[in-house]
Amino acid sequence: DTGVSQDPRHKITKRGQNVTFRCDPISEHNRLYWYRQTLGQGPEFLTYFQNEAQLEKSRLLSDRFSAERPKGSFSTLEIQRTEQGDSAMYLCASSTAAYGYTFGSGTRLTVV
Amino acid sequence: QKEVEQNSGPLSVPEGAIASLNCTYSDRVSQSFFWYRQYSGKSPELIMSIYSNGDKEDGRFTAQLNKASQYVSLLIRDSQPSDSATYLCAVSNSNSGYALNFGKGTSLLVTP
Repeated sequence: DTGVSQDPRHKITKRGQNVTFRCDPISEHNRLYWYRQTLGQGPEFLTYFQNEAQLEKSRLLSDRFSAERPKGSFSTLEIQRTEQGDSAMYLCASSTAAYGYTFGSGTRLTVV
Repeated sequence: QKEVEQNSGPLSVPEGAIASLNCTYSDRVSQSFFWYRQYSGKSPELIMSIYSNGDKEDGRFTAQLNKASQYVSLLIRDSQPSDSATYLCAVSNSNSGYALNFGKGTSLLVTP
């Protein structure tokens, strides 16, 4: 068990560019979640997968955002045409059907 | 959006004292309740979970849940400077796939 791994740790991009983040969950965890956290706020739910199926998406997830989890293993979160308001920490978490998430270290996105 | 409310603080307590952190939630169907600790620049770390009314103790931490009052609290006994962090309250229910709804967090400062 090496924990939840996220890559990259930091990303600086110019407005309008596309970015993609990767999350590798704990291997036996079938549920995977993406959250976004801005300064002074708690994490906000974006989307979650059970195995490879994306079962819920927040209305925060605009059509510029897309997430995938092929084969129920790692997941990617892509943001197209980034905006300055997308600057945040993007957190991935995984869990089993039981309770209690394990969060990854996060990807800090800065849009300039 | 169902609300999870926390006093943002900062809550300052002297070393060795009891720190009391409070959280209220608006969604009556909430089933699971969590306290996460988050150090500056780091991802949230689960410290306590509670699912039924009453108290749950784990080391220096005690979580208290009152579903009738829609209130959950965290007590930290013998507070240490290393406990200085932001404490996030989170709630979930099975209707949302166990996605967590977080409060904004309470900043705790333990002074030597």
